[in-house]
Amino acid sequence: AQSVSQHNHHVILSEAASLELGCNYSYGGTVNLFWYVQYPGQHLQLLLKYFSGDPLVKGIKGFEAEFIKSKFSFNLRKPSVQWSDTAEYFCAVKSGNTGKLIFGQGTTLQVKP
Amino acid sequence: KAGVTQTPRYLIKTRGQQVTLSCSPISGHRSVSWYQQTPGQGLQFLFEYFSETQRNKGNFPGRFSGRQFSNSRSEMNVSTLELGDSALYLCASSPDRISDEKLFFGSGTQLSVL
Repeated sequence: AQSVSQHNHHVILSEAASLELGCNYSYGGTVNLFWYVQYPGQHLQLLLKYFSGDPLVKGIKGFEAEFIKSKFSFNLRKPSVQWSDTAEYFCAVKSGNTGKLIFGQGTTLQVKP
Repeated sequence: KAGVTQTPRYLIKTRGQQVTLSCSPISGHRSVSWYQQTPGQGLQFLFEYFSETQRNKGNFPGRFSGRQFSNSRSEMNVSTLELGDSALYLCASSPDRISDEKLFFGSGTQLSVL
């Protein structure tokens, strides 16, 4: 069955530190990949997405993610985090076959000022 | 443009009861998806509706059902509630264009089963 795994459940960083959140998925066919973010007290919102083309995609607020097909991974990165990046981050994968959008368990990021 | 609206915001029920949650998508969106969010489990896909038809279904028991109306509004029903059904239920709508696959989420309905 299609599944999405996020390796880190809780990450604590200081401001200006670099961030990398891992995401792996189990489906081998065509996929669309997403990162969603939920800031405290706000709705889930799209951070970035990959459908095809350049495997390095850039999203809002300086975030980027790289799709590595051979590793079934779509890791999220940011060179220098800010206190305002404190949020919960969800990786999601949509299978081209089933059309289902499956989310990972989420990673809580806490940035200390 | 109004966002995705979910009602009620909070619900408290007891085991064995049933509950109906409502979702009004963004105007013009025809796809509505439902997710169950619990700490540690993330978002688990319940089902997706498009043009009044269930297009996709997750791995939840038959106690969980839904429907979509002609105006794209959707309802989710859970019968014979169990303690483990306590969760935040999120609804998301989408314009369902391949070039713009993006979900817009509501605030959710927080269901507590006692």
